[in-house]
Amino acid sequence: DQQVKQNSPSLSVQEGRISILNCDYTNSMFDYFLWYKKYPAEGPTFLISISSIKDKNEDGRFTVFLNKSAKHLSLHIVPSQPGDSAVYFCAASSGAGSYQLTFGKGTKLSVIP
Amino acid sequence: GAVVSQHPSRVICKSGTSVKIECRSLDFQATTMFWYRQFPKQSLMLMATSNEGSKATYEQGVEKDKFLINHASLTLSTLTVTSAHPEDSSFYICSARDLAGASDEQYFGPGTRLTVT
Repeated sequence: DQQVKQNSPSLSVQEGRISILNCDYTNSMFDYFLWYKKYPAEGPTFLISISSIKDKNEDGRFTVFLNKSAKHLSLHIVPSQPGDSAVYFCAASSGAGSYQLTFGKGTKLSVIP
Repeated sequence: GAVVSQHPSRVICKSGTSVKIECRSLDFQATTMFWYRQFPKQSLMLMATSNEGSKATYEQGVEKDKFLINHASLTLSTLTVTSAHPEDSSFYICSARDLAGASDEQYFGPGTRLTVT
C-alpha cells in the first residue's frame, strides 16, 4: 500500500514556463514533507520542505504548497530551466524524532529548451 | 552543505559472494543513517535504520541476516549484502541525518550500483 503517491510518472514543460509536480499521501500521521531531485545514478538532492503547520514554503524558483485537508502537496518551479530536468521525489515523515522517509515513485521532469 | 559519500560507487560480484558498501558523513556527525534500495523506475524503499552503537532496525520484509548493517562510529555505516543473488542487483543509497540539524532533512550519498552475476 503506497502511502505517498506521485501519479504522474513524467512531465514535459517548455523552458520558462511553470512546472507543477503533484504528490498525494494517505497517512494522516505525516507531518513533514520534502522534495528531492535526482539525476540518474546519483543520490537524491534535497530541494525544499514544508511542515504540516504551514501551507506554503518558497525558496527561489521553488515553492511547495500543502493542502492538509486534501492530503495533497505540489512543487512549483518557475521559471523552469533545462537544468531542472530530473526525477523529482516527494517524501514524507511523521512524528517527532522519527526521521524515516517514505518516498513516492517520482516524476520525471523534462524541460524543453 | 553536508556531504555523504558512498564506496564503492559500482560493484559487480558473483552469486554467493558478499559485498560491503560504506556510507560516510564527511563533515558532520550522524547518529542515524538510513539505507535505501531503488529498483528501476521505482521509489526509494527504506531498508533499515542504522543507529550508532546499537542494532539496526529493519523494515518489514528485509532480511536482517542477509543485509548486515554496522554503524560503528558517528560518521560510518556499512551495509554488507551476504550470499548475494542476482535479484539483489539494485541501486543502494544511504542517507544521514546531521546530529546538529533541527529538521528532518537528510543528506544522501551518491549511491552504489550493485550487479550480481
